[in-house]
Amino acid sequence: SQELEQSPQSLIVQEGKNLTINCTSSKTLYGLYWYKQKYGEGLIFLMMLQKGGEEKSHEKITAKLDEKKQQSSLHITASQPSHAGIYLCGADRGAQKLVFGQGTRLTINP
Amino acid sequence: DAGITQSPRHKVTETGTPVTLRCHQTENHRYMYWYRQDPGHGLRLIHYSYGVKDTDKGEVSDGYSVSRSKTEDFLLTLESATSSQTSVYFCAISPGREAFHYEQYFGPGTRLTVT
Repeated sequence: SQELEQSPQSLIVQEGKNLTINCTSSKTLYGLYWYKQKYGEGLIFLMMLQKGGEEKSHEKITAKLDEKKQQSSLHITASQPSHAGIYLCGADRGAQKLVFGQGTRLTINP
Repeated sequence: DAGITQSPRHKVTETGTPVTLRCHQTENHRYMYWYRQDPGHGLRLIHYSYGVKDTDKGEVSDGYSVSRSKTEDFLLTLESATSSQTSVYFCAISPGREAFHYEQYFGPGTRLTVT
């Protein structure tokens, strides 16, 4: 089983709809990172969460960290075609190393 | 965008041949990483470096070696390529905790096919 489980694995939503992607860790979370990957390209850093209850937003993307649940969620409001791609969460595992989830493939239909 | 380049971007090679992938950064970041990305496995750490000539293994290091003789360059070598090493390889860099910046920035990737 994966140390970081993302759900859902794939998601198809209609443009303008809201959506949520979850990342659950089997270990205590000390730092949680969200990345976006466009098909065939490298990963783009979105945001980092460090403290329980922390919430950060960038444009229409909001991420929250629930330390007790060992979980983070990524919420997109009023989705746009530019939001399409693969979203990956990464967890700080010490020694400046990250472990990643398998990713959530997001498709936005017009 | 962080100044990270990878070369080559695409490579096809035969089983048993040595292959070297290069990662070059212009950010003067201390930490550099090599990952591979495969369907069903996500991103997995191969090796990383925490300074010039300072490297350590990741979770999938068998069959790979690395070298870092300069801050800006991190080389990944497949001594004798196998078909199981067909993958997309990503380099990443990070300023590190000393700079209070923990996030990693990724290069564009190298698609390697071993036939």
